[in-house]
Amino acid sequence: DAGITQSPRHKVTETGTPVTLRCHQTENHRYMYWYRQDPGHGLRLIHYSYGVKDTDKGEVSDGYSVSRSKTEDFLLTLESATSSQTSVYFCAISESLTADEQYFGPGTRLTVT
Amino acid sequence: EDQVTQSPEALRLQEGESSSLNCSYTVSGLRGLFWYRQDPGKGPEFLFTLYSAGEEKEKERLKATLTKKESFLHITAPKPEDSATYLCALTTSGTYKYIFGTGTRLKVLA
Repeated sequence: DAGITQSPRHKVTETGTPVTLRCHQTENHRYMYWYRQDPGHGLRLIHYSYGVKDTDKGEVSDGYSVSRSKTEDFLLTLESATSSQTSVYFCAISESLTADEQYFGPGTRLTVT
Repeated sequence: EDQVTQSPEALRLQEGESSSLNCSYTVSGLRGLFWYRQDPGKGPEFLFTLYSAGEEKEKERLKATLTKKESFLHITAPKPEDSATYLCALTTSGTYKYIFGTGTRLKVLA
């Protein structure tokens, strides 16, 4: 299994509070991604990173920010959580941007009340 | 607009009853097509990558095939442990994105 961990695995938070999710990899892959998965939708890209301090937006980036200060760590921050951000969040890694498969972490289930 | 559609949404099979899952796509230029398996409460697990029409990949009871418009995941003599959601995704030559389908939920009954 690819060495990807996510923390926390479960979190319940209140509307308006900031939340940070962490993704840690031991594979030294250059590219890292944050997705959300909701019923009726495929995995949707929030943000991705193509190197340390290099990040870009995905298709559902509003309300989210990211940071990558080390190759192995990619953080996703919800600045002010809303109920619409209740979801399961997955981190993924890949060696290239689009030619290679992605490997996924175990996910974080976030509930915003 | 690049699009991926998976069918059926759900499929129930008896153990040993072979079938196929479909992933149809419309893209401007296919870079790669990927199949994943996802078990409840877990992240997607990579199965196959296909790059060009006519390509086939096999792993145990699974075989993935690719044409210019669709990909099939054939499941031969499935077992209950094959029960999962199977996801199709693709990348295009023009963008950075992996585009995911919504998946097929497969249930194999003993």
